[in-house]
Amino acid sequence: DAKTTQPTSMDCAEGRAANLPCNHSTISGNEYVYWYRQIHSQGPQYIIHGLKNNETNEMASLIITEDRKSSTLILPHATLRDTAVYYCIVRVVDNAGKSTFGDGTTLTVKP
Amino acid sequence: DTGVSQDPRHKITKRGQNVTFRCDPISEHNRLYWYRQTLGQGPEFLTYFQNEAQLEKSRLLSDRFSAERPKGSFSTLEIQRTEQGDSAMYLCASSSQGGAMEKLFFGSGTQLSVL
Repeated sequence: DAKTTQPTSMDCAEGRAANLPCNHSTISGNEYVYWYRQIHSQGPQYIIHGLKNNETNEMASLIITEDRKSSTLILPHATLRDTAVYYCIVRVVDNAGKSTFGDGTTLTVKP
Repeated sequence: DTGVSQDPRHKITKRGQNVTFRCDPISEHNRLYWYRQTLGQGPEFLTYFQNEAQLEKSRLLSDRFSAERPKGSFSTLEIQRTEQGDSAMYLCASSSQGGAMEKLFFGSGTQLSVL
């Protein structure tokens, strides 16, 4: 699976959009981008995933650049409950759920 | 859907003792994963099952570690002769399908402290 690079930490004001970047410059054509988050003392929670098109669900939006070398997770209206570690994962579809999480970005939403 | 359940939530043991953790996946989920997470790091893959078959084991899973999933339902992870380096959060996850749509549902983990 391709390696990802994320900033160690980010802050965001409550109610504002949180934009979390991820670099995956060595991504292959058959690798998807997944995002999970982990709130303190809980297991990771799936957020969203995509291949090359932008994706949106009830939790977030995922913007993948045209060359697929980077992506951005967008939480449109961050709340205090969005404070968590956010993991960007790139994996081959047939690697099952065997994912390499990396160290993620700690997002702190401030009032 | 009651989520993935792990037991116990916390375990304190002395070096050299054996410990066993249990994971109950979401009903009907045929895939089950074990991950290990140390403080400040992301989860690391240990092993996974499809139904009762253990399909892959990470190099992180030394001979002291064994996992089972009898009858393809709950799973146990046993660590024999524990070492201080085994102290970590052990996470279990399950999923219902493979391929691009596979989403992992994680439990809250078992926090192991080896004294």
